Amino acid sequence: EAGVAQSPRYKIIEKRQSVAFWCNPISGHATLYWYQQILGQGPKLLIQFQNNGVVDDSQLPKDRFSAERLKGVDSTLKIQPAKLEDSAVYLCASSLWGLSGELFFGEGSRLTVL
Amino acid sequence: RKEVEQDPGPFNVPEGATVAFNCTYSNSASQSFFWYRQDCRKEPKLLMSVYSSGNEDGRFTAQLNRASQYISLLIRDSKLSDSATYLCVVTPNSGTASKLTFGTGTRLQVTL
Repeated sequence: EAGVAQSPRYKIIEKRQSVAFWCNPISGHATLYWYQQILGQGPKLLIQFQNNGVVDDSQLPKDRFSAERLKGVDSTLKIQPAKLEDSAVYLCASSLWGLSGELFFGEGSRLTVL
Repeated sequence: RKEVEQDPGPFNVPEGATVAFNCTYSNSASQSFFWYRQDCRKEPKLLMSVYSSGNEDGRFTAQLNRASQYISLLIRDSKLSDSATYLCVVTPNSGTASKLTFGTGTRLQVTL
């Protein structure tokens, strides 16, 4: 079974530029998450989708971050404009609806903002 | 107070040793608890769920203490391959995977 796919794996941009990350969850997984993991910290939830609806985006910096999950399958996370403190790994995860606790993560997209 | 707190370590232990990590949580209504493992520069993966009665999976034992609001992970007979960061995860809801809150992780280094 294919896992969670993410791209790009690495991205280097200058501050104030924009960047977009893509995620394709495991087939059949209704719930999709975007996490931000800063070096030395645990993953922090940015946004959670259930199918194509947003369940939780309380920690998403909406002035610069946006995410969508059209058609309830793959998703994109955009940052515009980027700040230095956005340097992190952006992890996409998916889970079966109703399955408690087991998130399947992609390998992540590592962003460096210069 | 952070929602989920862990000692970041690192814990440096020799091969064969027993090591234990604790994790405290602030929300007394939390229902579900998990340990995830994250290897260096890799994604987190579920290690084990933590049940009220405690549970064991080979060399790994997880315990929950609701009164004191902490969970623990015990690793017996440590292997070099156990070297990783162990993330404590708490969710207020039972039966869904919503709002999983991760701790900062405890780094374990097992040495020869």
